Amino acid sequence: ETGVTQSPTHLIKTRGQQVTLRCSSQSGHNTVSWYQQALGQGPQFIFQYYREEENGRGNFPPRFSGLQFPNYSSELNVNALELDDSALYLCASSPSTGLVGEKLFFGSGTQLSVL
Amino acid sequence: EDQVTQSPEALRLQEGESSSLNCSYTVSGLRGLFWYRQDPGKGPEFLFTLYSAGEEKEKERLKATLTKKESFLHITAPKPEDSATYLCPEGGQGNLIFGKGTKLSVKP
Repeated sequence: ETGVTQSPTHLIKTRGQQVTLRCSSQSGHNTVSWYQQALGQGPQFIFQYYREEENGRGNFPPRFSGLQFPNYSSELNVNALELDDSALYLCASSPSTGLVGEKLFFGSGTQLSVL
Repeated sequence: EDQVTQSPEALRLQEGESSSLNCSYTVSGLRGLFWYRQDPGKGPEFLFTLYSAGEEKEKERLKATLTKKESFLHITAPKPEDSATYLCPEGGQGNLIFGKGTKLSVKP
């Protein structure tokens, strides 16, 4: 069984640029959630995709956007990068069984540095 | 505003020295209280889900308990491999509210 994989593992960008992060969900999972984890902080929910539709969003501006593809892989796009966007970006998938307490399976993340 | 607060921020233990981590939550309606461990440079790894006050779950040296306002992660006779940051998010269906976590270091 293949776990959640994210690419790239590390990325350096300049303020004002745009970035795309990628995530392949675990086999059989149709729901993907994205989180931002700043240094020394807990992860913060960005948004979730279920069957290619956005299914919930946290307190992040519209320059954070996403996509989910028919194979349930996902992308996170961030436009007009700011220094504060420097963080570990985590992708998590789940099988969407309908259980409220459904556990998430996290990838190892993409470390984004904005200079 | 829903919130999760963990204490202490950091905890250093000697191998075999048992202790507990605290997680206080303020939410309008508990959906689920989770425990995850996170190793440096990795994503969080699921440990437990608790749903209602009085519930307890165990896994090896770890035991999680839940009251109406708090959850505790009890670590019995920890080993160096238990060193990690422990997170206790509240939430459900993919939308989790995290605190800052407790960084546990276990020295041999």
